[in-house]
Amino acid sequence: AAGVIQSPRHLIKEKRETATLKCYPIPRHDTVYWYQQGPGQDPQFLISFYEKMQSDKGSIPDRFSAQQFSDYHSELNMSSLELGDSALYFCASSPPGTAGNTEAFFGQGTRLTVV
Amino acid sequence: TQLLEQSPQFLSIQEGENLTVYCNSSSVFSSLQWYRQEPGEGPVLLVTVVTGGEVKKLKRLTFQFGDARKDSSLHITAAQPGDTGLYLCAGAVQGGAQKLVFGQGTRLTINP
Repeated sequence: AAGVIQSPRHLIKEKRETATLKCYPIPRHDTVYWYQQGPGQDPQFLISFYEKMQSDKGSIPDRFSAQQFSDYHSELNMSSLELGDSALYFCASSPPGTAGNTEAFFGQGTRLTVV
Repeated sequence: TQLLEQSPQFLSIQEGENLTVYCNSSSVFSSLQWYRQEPGEGPVLLVTVVTGGEVKKLKRLTFQFGDARKDSSLHITAAQPGDTGLYLCAGAVQGGAQKLVFGQGTRLTINP
């Protein structure tokens, strides 16, 4: 079965550079989430999109932005990168379903290293 | 702010023993998921519980959702070294935008 695809798997950037992470949700899933996971920490919610519209916003820095495109893939854009942005970034998607029964399937993540 | 407290955060036991991981909150969740995560990989969904009091079994794993839908537990019977990993609970916010709130995780080590 198709899973959530994230690219790239690994990314090394220098401070103050820009990075773009891509996420391709499972086909027919209508919700995409972005999470950030620092070393030894649980995933922290950044932002989500439902039917191509931003649905919720978490602890996402103003330097970050994201969008969901007409084909439902999503991109997380990160500018003015800081050392503290080094983390695993996960994308997850959810299928249409009963409101509140949110079952998310995660991609393998992008490991971003800022040097 | 919905918070999920997961305990214990670290657990190391011998093969064959039983264990229980707890996930507690003061908030009501419309559903709760348990995930297992390997180092450097994405969380893999194990189970979703929706109804208060619901019990689901997955081989040697038993998941329970509290009657009030504020807490959940994961019980592993006769733990095996292959069960080693990070276990995360995540609650779905009731109503409003769709979002999952994660617990801090339980890092489980099963020693042969």
